[in-house]
Amino acid sequence: DIQMTQSPSSLSASVGDRVTITCRSSQPIKNYLNWYRQRPGKVPELLIYTISNLQIGVPSTFSGSGSGTDFTLTISSLQPEDFATYYCQQSYSSRITFGQGTRLDI
Amino acid sequence: EMQLVQSGGGLVQPGGSLRLSCEASGLTFSTYEMNWVRQAPGKGLEWISYISSSGDNIHYVDSVKGRFTISRDNAKNSLFLQMNSLRVEDTAVYYCVRQYYGLLTGYYFDKWGPGTLVTVSS
Repeated sequence: DIQMTQSPSSLSASVGDRVTITCRSSQPIKNYLNWYRQRPGKVPELLIYTISNLQIGVPSTFSGSGSGTDFTLTISSLQPEDFATYYCQQSYSSRITFGQGTRLDI
Repeated sequence: EMQLVQSGGGLVQPGGSLRLSCEASGLTFSTYEMNWVRQAPGKGLEWISYISSSGDNIHYVDSVKGRFTISRDNAKNSLFLQMNSLRVEDTAVYYCVRQYYGLLTGYYFDKWGPGTLVTVSS
């Protein structure tokens, strides 16, 4: 299975900060990389698909980039609702895998 | 608006069985691939099973292969997960998830059910 490794595992920041989360795959996954946010006690929600495409309704403060095996999620200006856990996901393989998550705290 | 309504979770003893259901509304269910994703308490997301729109292509994560069976009834807009030989480590919230595919956009999970808690304990 393709392993997805996120860094950091946790991160402390403040409202208005710019943060970047990294995701690395154990083998090239082309552009089959997606990002999800899970607020505490809530269902995960899709933020970005295919590396850099924002899901409908997701604010432009979110952006994604990368290629090959290295990918990043950037939040340009943190809002209170952004304090959550973020997961990357590869859909290159039929056996889909997620990163272990990055918890973003105030 | 599309909805996924889940049912079937609960408390079961190790070695027992449970069947999860997920009923879809507000979409043409038969055209979508579906998945089950679980999340153990305080842990991350784990994909466990996939089924194609017609039901003829199925995948599982190794940890549930041979114990869990995914199926669907397109006439009833429903997805199922039959879980047998349950273990303590299967304790988790189980999500029914719609998979979207686009030629240029690839595969991603765009709609999640509310989740149902399965607790395996003696």
